[in-house]
Parts: sequence; structure tokens; C-alpha cells
Amino acid sequence: QKEVEQNSGPLSVPEGAIASLNCTYSDRVSQSFFWYRQYSGKSPELIMSIYSNGDKEDGRFTAQLNKASQYVSLLIRDSQPSDSATYLCASRVRDDKIIFGKGTRLHILP
Amino acid sequence: DGGITQSPKYLFRKEGQNVTLSCEQNLNHDAMYWYRQDPGQGLRLIYYSQIVNDFQKGDIAEGYSVSREKKESFPLTVTSAQKNPTAFYLCASSISGGRTSLYEQYFGPGTRLTVT
Repeated sequence: QKEVEQNSGPLSVPEGAIASLNCTYSDRVSQSFFWYRQYSGKSPELIMSIYSNGDKEDGRFTAQLNKASQYVSLLIRDSQPSDSATYLCASRVRDDKIIFGKGTRLHILP
Repeated sequence: DGGITQSPKYLFRKEGQNVTLSCEQNLNHDAMYWYRQDPGQGLRLIYYSQIVNDFQKGDIAEGYSVSREKKESFPLTVTSAQKNPTAFYLCASSISGGRTSLYEQYFGPGTRLTVT
């Protein structure tokens, strides 16, 4: 069973600090990885995608991929209260299917 | 504006009734998906379609049916055979084909279905 694992949290981070969210995946042939943000009662919003080893930066967000360790992470710099949400990690396993983790709840403390 | 629309936002039905959830996209995406999300749970794939007039079962297809007669539309019917239909239903779409594609999925706003 191909899986994407995340710590459910909640992860509490002071405002202005760096929030670090982690994810592991079981399928070695996974090619693309995604981070979604989901506010309570709303649908997921794509914030980052990555398919090459290393770091990818977009504004305050950095996605990190390590295929050898089957590990994906998301760093949020200068955390804001508006970053408080559930963050879903996902991987594309084959064809057009994507497998989602159950998400990590992030709480930014004012 | 390009995007994915789902209607209605909230839907209430009596047990034993079939109900159809609408999903429309104008992103010119080939692939469309239906997911179910329960409180505290991740997204579970119900059905997906990579091309018009073709679709595949996901992990929890029992009690659901779909059609894909048009590229833009992928309606989901929740039948009376679905034992626990109350959930948040999410439709998504993506481009399809090509190994170099990131296959990013974009979601509609969702339909919250309550069956009593």
C-alpha cells in the first residue's frame, strides 16, 4: 500500500519563526510532490510543487525533496497567524493519481 | 476567470435518496477527480477520469457513480448504497499525459453533503 505519512500535529510555532513541516513517502517511483494548504471548512489550495532533489523557494515558502531518504519538507519563514491551517503533503505515484497524507495542523502563536 | 466550480455548496438529503453533485471546470484540463474528506481524515479518491467517456474507480468507489460526457464536466452521484454518505466532497482537475508533467491538481470549493 503506497502511503504518504505526516505528523498530525498540532505544530505550534511563534509568529515570525520558521515553521518546518515534514512528510515521508513509501513509493520509490514517486516523481512529483505537492504541498497544499487547507483552512478549516475550505478546499485545499496548492502552494508548492517539486520534483527534483534539493530546494525550491517561492516567497516565504521553501520545499525540500530528498528522494534517497524518501522525504519531503516545507519551510515557512516569518510565520504569520494567517499561515495557521492544515498542510497536506501529496505525491504522484503513477498515471494521474496523487496520494495525499492526512495533513499536519499548524498553529502560529501571535 | 478560469477555475473549478462545484454546486451546491451545502446539500441536505434524506437517507435512501440518490443525489448528484456537480463539478465543472474551464481550465481545459483533461483529468478530473472526486475525493471525499471526513473530519480529521485525509483525502480519499472516489473516481477519476483521464479522458472523456472513460473513468476509473478510486479507493472507495462503492456506492458512487460518475459520468464524463464532456471534458468540462464530471458529476458524481451518491447512491443509496453508500452507507455513510455524509462528508465533504471535493472535485479536482489537472492536465494529463507526459512524464515530465507535474500533474498539479487544483480543487473546487467543495460540496458539504449531509444525509439524515
